[in-house]
Amino acid sequence: QKEVEQNSGPLSVPEGAIASLNCTYSDRGSQSFFWYRQYSGKSPELIMFIYSNGDKEDGRFTAQLNKASQYVSLLIRDSQPSDSATYLCAVELGAGNNRKLIWGLGTSLAVNP
Amino acid sequence: EAQVTQNPRYLITVTGKKLTVTCSQNMNHEYMSWYRQDPGLGLRQIYYSMNVEVTDKGDVPEGYKVSRKEKRNFPLILESPSPNQTSLYFCASSLDRGSYGYTFGSGTRLTVV
Repeated sequence: QKEVEQNSGPLSVPEGAIASLNCTYSDRGSQSFFWYRQYSGKSPELIMFIYSNGDKEDGRFTAQLNKASQYVSLLIRDSQPSDSATYLCAVELGAGNNRKLIWGLGTSLAVNP
Repeated sequence: EAQVTQNPRYLITVTGKKLTVTCSQNMNHEYMSWYRQDPGLGLRQIYYSMNVEVTDKGDVPEGYKVSRKEKRNFPLILESPSPNQTSLYFCASSLDRGSYGYTFGSGTRLTVV
């Protein structure tokens, strides 16, 4: 089992809909979780990070963390064509100087006008 | 503007010809890292640096060298490039091992023929 798993997609949603992106992880000790957006040929850009169980909202984006079930989700409300990109989930494993960031392969999102 | 500057953006070279990809950040970040990104393999860490003169191997260090003589600069050196090092390379910096999120450079697309 991979340490961080994402559905590769493509996930296709109509403009204005809610896009739901999911990420599961294998290490129960993971403490920090990140969502990055990457447009084709561009560098990843941090959207949100979440440390605690529950929801964290930032504008149209909501990150949801469920440590018991070992998944983290990203919801994008009122999806826009400009949200079309690959979304990377990253999970921090370990502690102290042994911390390491593990990346998922990403989910491709297409928002159709 | 807070940024990570990476050069060159595109590079085509021949097997065995030494090259350096430069990376510089203006955010006074202690932690810097190099990644390569390949289709189906995602982001893989090559080397990282916790601070000046402190560097360590990531997951795929073979064929690469780095140095950290100044806090702001973290060049990636390919002493004898081979075709399997053809990839998209990203430099990234962070306050603390990526725990607060990375800022990525704009990427270097390297082709070794």
